[in-house]
Amino acid sequence: QVQLQESGPGLVKPSQTVSLTCTVSGDSMSYGSYYWTWIRQPAGKGLEWIGRIYMTGSINTNPSLRSRINISIDKSKNQFSLELSSVTAADTAMYYCARFTARGVGRPWGQGTLVTVS
Amino acid sequence: DIVMTQSPVFLPVTPGETASISCKSSQSPLHSNGHTYVNWYLQKPGQSPQLLIYSVSDRASGVPDRISGSGSGTDFTLKISRVEAEDVGVYYCMQALQTPLTFGGGTKVEIK
Repeated sequence: QVQLQESGPGLVKPSQTVSLTCTVSGDSMSYGSYYWTWIRQPAGKGLEWIGRIYMTGSINTNPSLRSRINISIDKSKNQFSLELSSVTAADTAMYYCARFTARGVGRPWGQGTLVTVS
Repeated sequence: DIVMTQSPVFLPVTPGETASISCKSSQSPLHSNGHTYVNWYLQKPGQSPQLLIYSVSDRASGVPDRISGSGSGTDFTLKISRVEAEDVGVYYCMQALQTPLTFGGGTKVEIK
């Protein structure tokens, strides 16, 4: 059974870069046609798609965040990562990683990691 | 971007009744392969979102047949029959035809 687990620093100062990692267990990221995806959710608000990386390393990102985002994959560690630069209070949110198919079938999701910019 | 608009925002339901949620997309999420890439997720209180429905009407594994999706073009509906206490949470529609993938604003279902 595939499981995803996010990890991150929790608290970040404004203008800094936050780095988050998603560790995949139960299966190898090298197999299957999956998009490894980041989604965030400010407290009490809806879901915002941040971006995704395919197993080949191909990346798609949300234009609203594109200049500040870097997504990478480390198949040897079965992990993928998100870097978000120049953070502000508006980036305070729960950040989820998830495995998606091309059709938008997203499962499983991680439990989320809270990032607070202050 | 494809904008997904859900209604209502808040939906109080009596146990045993039927709840219906509407989702309208600004463009048709119809892929050239004939499939429409509209999916529904439920976020229960304190949990991560979980997949309910994909490709408009296909139920994810483990989802009861009380929950169904329908629609075409730009209008889609999620129906929850015989609502139970376990159905409370926020329901989101999502399109996956093009990036950025986009979600509706959510519909919060509560038990009266």
